[in-house]
Formats: sequence, structure tokens, C-alpha cells
Amino acid sequence: GAGVSQSPSNKVTEKGKDVELRCDPISGHTALYWYRQRLGQGLEFLIYFQGNSAPDKSGLPSDRFSAERTGESVSTLTIQRTQQEDSAVYLCASSFRTGQETQYFGPGTRLLVL
Amino acid sequence: AQTVTQSQPEMSVQEAETVTLSCTYDTSESDYYLFWYKQPPSRQMILVIRQEAYKQQNATENRFSVNFQKAAKSFSLKISDSQLGDAAMYFCAYRSAFLFGNDMRFGAGTRLTVKP
Repeated sequence: GAGVSQSPSNKVTEKGKDVELRCDPISGHTALYWYRQRLGQGLEFLIYFQGNSAPDKSGLPSDRFSAERTGESVSTLTIQRTQQEDSAVYLCASSFRTGQETQYFGPGTRLLVL
Repeated sequence: AQTVTQSQPEMSVQEAETVTLSCTYDTSESDYYLFWYKQPPSRQMILVIRQEAYKQQNATENRFSVNFQKAAKSFSLKISDSQLGDAAMYFCAYRSAFLFGNDMRFGAGTRLTVKP
């Protein structure tokens, strides 16, 4: 596609429910990144993929967070048993490869946990 | 760990005038990349400008230019001839050139308001 797309655009859920957030990277981009942005704050790194491998999971805030990627395409970020502190905008970015390449961002998914 | 600091939570500029947004960073590395991203209310993060640390020449993209002071670890963004569409959150970001797959470190952002 022309750019990184994310779905849903907005998600409201109840505390304790699981949610899945989807990211479609730019075609041909092998690297994919997930970030969290709390209200009024900068971006917090969560995880990145090179292909479908995730060498660095250190940014995931808890074991309720997981992510997977199919080949070099779609990625899903799953949050289990959501908590109110999970409310944030979740941004996905992709780049041609990891390392020196510029990251291009999607529009984000705004998650609200009630 | 690398940190990025944006000391100006909010800035304001009159349309057609010039504004400078500040960014400092802390690193022990010699080679890295610095970025300015713009985030309008639509939430889309848009790359404004990128600077490679090994280049002495300051990057320029149309009305946007940077003042990169490597020794001072400073990376300010100058917006000339400000336009209403420049109003957004601006984030400064750092990325190591050495670590494979390293994530970017972002500052807390500066909210820029453009007055007509």
C-alpha cells in the first residue's frame, strides 16, 4: 500500500477484555515497530520485527502484551486482560530494513479501557 | 541509555515568522541519526527532517532546517515562513547507527501553535 495502515482507528473496551490491534506495513518493508504514546507524552518503544522474527521484546510492559507478524506483512499486537493504564495511542511504523532506515508511521489506534 | 530532551512543552509563532524548537540528547556513541517528526491532530507521525551524525552539514528540507551541534549534543529545528499547517506536536528522536534494529528514542514533544 501507499503507507502504513492500522486498524481499528479507535477501540473502546472494558477492563479485563482482550484486544487485538493490527498493522499493515508499507509493501516491501521488512522491519516493523510498535510504539505506545500516552496522552501528552512521547513515544515509548514496545517491540520490533525483522521479518517475522522479534529479536527485541524488552519494551513490552508486561506479559499481558504480545505481538506477532506473518512473514513480512501484517502484525498484530495483542493486549490481554486490559487495564485502564493501557489506554493510549498505539503506533506502528515500518522501514525497509532495521538499522539505519527511516521509520514511517501509521495513523495509530487509540485504545480506551473503561 | 540514550535520552532525548525537549525543554519547550509549548511554542507559539506568528504566521510567516520563524520559530526554533530545541532538542538535546545524551549519548556516548559517535555515530547516530537524529530526526524531527511532526504529529498533527490526525495522529499521523510525519518525518520532517533527518540528520546523520557523521555529516557536518546541517540538513535542510524546504522551510525546515536544523542546527546540529554534535559537541553540544544539540539538534534544534528551525521553521521559516511559518504556515498554519505547521501547527502540530513536534518530536525529536534519536537512533543509534550501531545497534541492529535499535528502536528510536523520542523526546516528550513540543506543541507548536501558529497564530494567523
